[in-house]
Amino acid sequence: DGGITQSPKYLFRKEGQNVTLSCEQNLNHDAMYWYRQDPGQGLRLIYYSQIVNDFQKGDIAEGYSVSREKKESFPLTVTSAQKNPTAFYLCASRLISGGYTEAFFGQGTRLTVV
Amino acid sequence: AQKITQTQPGMFVQEKEAVTLDCTYDTSDQSYGLFWYKQPSSGEMIFLIYQGSYDEQNATEGRYSLNFQKARKSANLVISASQLGDSAMYFCAMRGQAGTALIFGKGTTLSVSS
Repeated sequence: DGGITQSPKYLFRKEGQNVTLSCEQNLNHDAMYWYRQDPGQGLRLIYYSQIVNDFQKGDIAEGYSVSREKKESFPLTVTSAQKNPTAFYLCASRLISGGYTEAFFGQGTRLTVV
Repeated sequence: AQKITQTQPGMFVQEKEAVTLDCTYDTSDQSYGLFWYKQPSSGEMIFLIYQGSYDEQNATEGRYSLNFQKARKSANLVISASQLGDSAMYFCAMRGQAGTALIFGKGTTLSVSS
């Protein structure tokens, strides 16, 4: 089945550690996105990528980094510079051609700082 | 700047009743797309319905319809014949002409009771 897979589902991080959240899609979508969701809040854009080896910062990129070495993969690293990383992280992808196509989302990763 | 506003933090409805979730948007783009997503407690984001800015007819998908009033910049979601499984958080989102990433409102929590 085609879809977006995020792993792990739950992740615990000690203060000062970097952690990497995985996002893989087999939908052959061009664009991939990372969003952060805090309780009672909407989704805020962290980074997005439209093509391999290229990505752009979103509204809250500080303390995060990404790479796009393969079309199907868009991992997100939460660095120690991110002071408040506890949140729910959602990865999405979209086919760019065809106009205003919807974005498909993964199941999310819940990150907790311990 | 583009913005989505959802003014109803929570809505309550009885089974089989219809409910309207409000969404207003702000954009200077002439061409844009409006989306509604459902987020159950599991966290996944489920695409419900899409409306293009040039679409003359309101979008419908099964029990979901979008009441699009362009002059008022509103895109309200109407759910007919509510079901218990409709209890979830609902997000309105927009993609403008220039960007490829969706921007989201803060969401409305819908509770359906029997």
